[in-house]
Amino acid sequence: EAGVAQSPRYKIIEKRQSVAFWCNPISGHATLYWYQQILGQGPKLLIQFQNNGVVDDSQLPKDRFSAERLKGVDSTLKIQPAKLEDSAVYLCASRRDNPWNEQFFGPGTRLTVL
Amino acid sequence: AQTVTQSQPEMSVQEAETVTLSCTYDTSESDYYLFWYKQPPSRQMILVIRQEAYKQQNATENRFSVNFQKAAKSFSLKISDSQLGDAAMYFCAYRREEGDKIIFGKGTRLHILP
Repeated sequence: EAGVAQSPRYKIIEKRQSVAFWCNPISGHATLYWYQQILGQGPKLLIQFQNNGVVDDSQLPKDRFSAERLKGVDSTLKIQPAKLEDSAVYLCASRRDNPWNEQFFGPGTRLTVL
Repeated sequence: AQTVTQSQPEMSVQEAETVTLSCTYDTSESDYYLFWYKQPPSRQMILVIRQEAYKQQNATENRFSVNFQKAAKSFSLKISDSQLGDAAMYFCAYRREEGDKIIFGKGTRLHILP
C-alpha cells in the first residue's frame, strides 16, 4: 500500500508570511495526525482528526495555526503569520485501526522561518 | 502527566557489535504501550518494536529486542549485529492503552562506525 504523502518536502519563508502543508493519508485510514518536531526534540502532537472532525487540538496554537480535513481524506495545515519559533519539521501520520492503533508517518515538511 | 526520558543524546557503536539505548518513562496508568521508532535522515518515522505493558515477555523483532522493566519504568532497546543502515535517531515513545496520543522522548542519535 502507498504510504502517507506530504508536500512540500522543504519550505523557507520570512517571518509574518503564511505557509500551508498538505497531507494525503494511507487509503482507508480514518484518523489523521499532525505533529510538530522541533530540532533536537521528539514529535509533539498538534491536532488529530477522525474523518473530517477534530478529536484533539489542545496543543495547536490556534491564534496562528489552523488545519482542516474537509472530505475526510486529505488534510491541510496552515500557519499565518509564521514566527521564527515555528521552524520545525511537520509530520503527518495516519492510523490503522488495530489493537495497538499503529500510526504510519509521512516524510515530513521541513519549515525554515527567517 | 506522562513523560518519556532518553538520557543519551548520542551513541556510537562499531559495526556488527551490540548497543543498548536507554529509556525511562513516568505514568500512573497500568495499561499502556511502549514503542521504539527509528528516524533516518529521510525524516520518516519507522516503528521498530512495540511492547504491551501487560505482557511480561520482552518483545523481539529480528536484531532488535527490548528490556522492559515495568516496576522500574524502564524500556531499553538492544540492537544486535549493528549495521550501517541502523544509523538514525531513535525515539522511545509511550501511549496509553485507551487513546491515541503518543508521547515521544527527545531521541538518541546512533552512529555506526565501520
